Amino acid sequence: SYVLTQPPSVSVAPGQTARITCGGNNIGSKSVHWYQQKPGQAPVLVVYDDSDRPSGIPERFSGSNSGNTATLTISRVEAGDEADYYCQVWDSSSDHPRVVFGGGTKLTVL
Amino acid sequence: EVQLVESGGGLVKPGGSLRLSCAASGFTFSSYSMNWVRQAPGKGLEWVSSISSSSSYIYYADSVKGRFTISRDNAKNSLYLQMNSLRAEDTAVYYCARAQYEGWFDPWGQGTLVTVSS
Repeated sequence: SYVLTQPPSVSVAPGQTARITCGGNNIGSKSVHWYQQKPGQAPVLVVYDDSDRPSGIPERFSGSNSGNTATLTISRVEAGDEADYYCQVWDSSSDHPRVVFGGGTKLTVL
Repeated sequence: EVQLVESGGGLVKPGGSLRLSCAASGFTFSSYSMNWVRQAPGKGLEWVSSISSSSSYIYYADSVKGRFTISRDNAKNSLYLQMNSLRAEDTAVYYCARAQYEGWFDPWGQGTLVTVSS
């Protein structure tokens, strides 16, 4: 089955740039979506189709996807960006398509 | 406003059953695929099941196949998850989420907690 690998944690100082990676076999051939989840809240979509932003999501959030790695980039990090971030793809490689989430990355703002 | 509201969670004994519901409003429910995603305490997100707009396509995670059944009633703007033969490892917050077909999930409901314990 398809596996997405994320670093458990990323730390960054306010105002700096955070990069959260999501590794998967030839993930560049898939569409990757990213979610932000704050404690006690439901996940919120922050990037879809590799690099598009839903309305209401700041331009500071961007995404890229190539080869075996997709990346969520958060520019000019703010204290309010501290959260867990998950990547997600659809694995349609078998007769039984399934949704795959990465294990999640905890972003800490120092 | 697009809104999803889950209900039906609670405490159930191992081997028991529970039916979750998700009430949708603010959009044309019958035009979208819907999903259930769960999150065990302190753990990450785990996809459970998907159902297409007309119920033609239904998919399950291996961990729940044969025990859980997803369904929908487009006339009632509602999504359901029938959970049978529940195990301790099914303990989680269960979220419903609207989906673009084989795409992203947006929005998500607030979740309903299912606890399987004797």
